[in-house]
Amino acid sequence: QQQVRQSPQSLTVWEGETAILNCSYEDSTFNYFPWYQQFPGEGPALLISIRSVSDKKEDGRFTIFFNKREKKLSLHITDSQPGDSATYFCAASAGGSALGRLHFGAGTQLIVIP
Amino acid sequence: DMKVTQMPRYLIKRMGENVLLECGQDMSHETMYWYRQDPGLGLQLIYISYDVDSNSEGDIPKGYRVSRKKREHFSLILDSAKTNQTSVYFCASSSPTESSYEQYFGPGTRLTVL
Repeated sequence: QQQVRQSPQSLTVWEGETAILNCSYEDSTFNYFPWYQQFPGEGPALLISIRSVSDKKEDGRFTIFFNKREKKLSLHITDSQPGDSATYFCAASAGGSALGRLHFGAGTQLIVIP
Repeated sequence: DMKVTQMPRYLIKRMGENVLLECGQDMSHETMYWYRQDPGLGLQLIYISYDVDSNSEGDIPKGYRVSRKKREHFSLILDSAKTNQTSVYFCASSSPTESSYEQYFGPGTRLTVL
């Protein structure tokens, strides 16, 4: 079964708005949560990541909010740009020897309208 | 310039034929991965390789095998391909010494099994 769930499946925002992408997970041993960005015809690329010891991680216009108790996190993209149009994948892994074993969500397709 | 390459980019095979997908990386990364990506399912881990001849099954290894004889090369083999193995296959690499734990993805191979 899907251990990482994402919503919405698709999201359309206007340029300049804040896009909010949601993610939830099942396994309480997960402690590393990267978000990957994928453009059509390309492989995914790491955008930003957070560990479970933090509740917020910011990198420019991209911010992850993390709620360990509810097993939820969200990616906020402020001042969305047309170049942000892509599919965003939330992933999760446990620590130690399982660190590289990422479990991906199904993705959220973001469309930013100029 | 850090890079993961995949060959071929597109491949059409008939059911029952053998398939060889190749992956290379120039970062001397110890760990390499094979994923498949299907609509609505995100990326699923097929195999992970921790170094030469040190391979481990991922979440969906059935119907696949891998080979890693050099650190920079990782092959995915489908013996007697099936139509349900039609997918986009991604190779990735990472190093356990990098604090970001980032996985670097190749551009993908689109495989169609008729």
